[in-house]
Amino acid sequence: SQQGEEDPQALSIQEGENATMNCSYKTSINNLQWYRQNSGRGLVHLILIRSNEREKHSGRLRVTLDTSKKSSSLLITASRAADTASYFCAPSMDSNYQLIWGAGTKLIIKP
Amino acid sequence: SQTIHQWPATLVQPVGSPLSLECTVEGTSNPNLYWYRQAAGRGLQLLFYSVGIGQISSEVPQNLSASRPQDRQFILSSKKLLLSDSGFYLCAWSGLQADQPQHFGDGTRLSIL
Repeated sequence: SQQGEEDPQALSIQEGENATMNCSYKTSINNLQWYRQNSGRGLVHLILIRSNEREKHSGRLRVTLDTSKKSSSLLITASRAADTASYFCAPSMDSNYQLIWGAGTKLIIKP
Repeated sequence: SQTIHQWPATLVQPVGSPLSLECTVEGTSNPNLYWYRQAAGRGLQLLFYSVGIGQISSEVPQNLSASRPQDRQFILSSKKLLLSDSGFYLCAWSGLQADQPQHFGDGTRLSIL
């Protein structure tokens, strides 16, 4: 069963605003990864945060991880129209490193 | 640099026909390889993964099969397609170490009529 759950399912904001997406999971993890998928395309890896890390940055992306709450968040600052895509979190299970996929958050950036 | 090729991009097949989707990786050796299926508006369902030539693990019992005849080639097959096999099929690779990100092809949109 899919144990990664993104929230919200859809998010529509104005260009320039910040976008925050949340992820919850149920199992013990080794790491948690975030991916982006443009419509009809493959997924692109954005950032990987290990279970012993609490925060990680990459450009305009900021990811946090709270293993006690089994949750993570992805913040995109100063959003751009090109950020329009679906975003998926993928916890990596501690037992076998398989990724668990949720249904994603569909982000729309309005110009 | 590493690249992954997946083809065809779209495919329309009748029920009961066979299937063969191919995925190849360039620029790396001994990758882990994955086949996923994505239903519309949903996350990814892992179908098969492989850690080496001839080594295939199946995650979901179904009428699909996978093969890895060469180190960087991964093939998804079916002898007889069902309507429920429609979907978006994605191939991915990752490094051998357990905590490596996955890198995806552009996918194949499969429609069964």
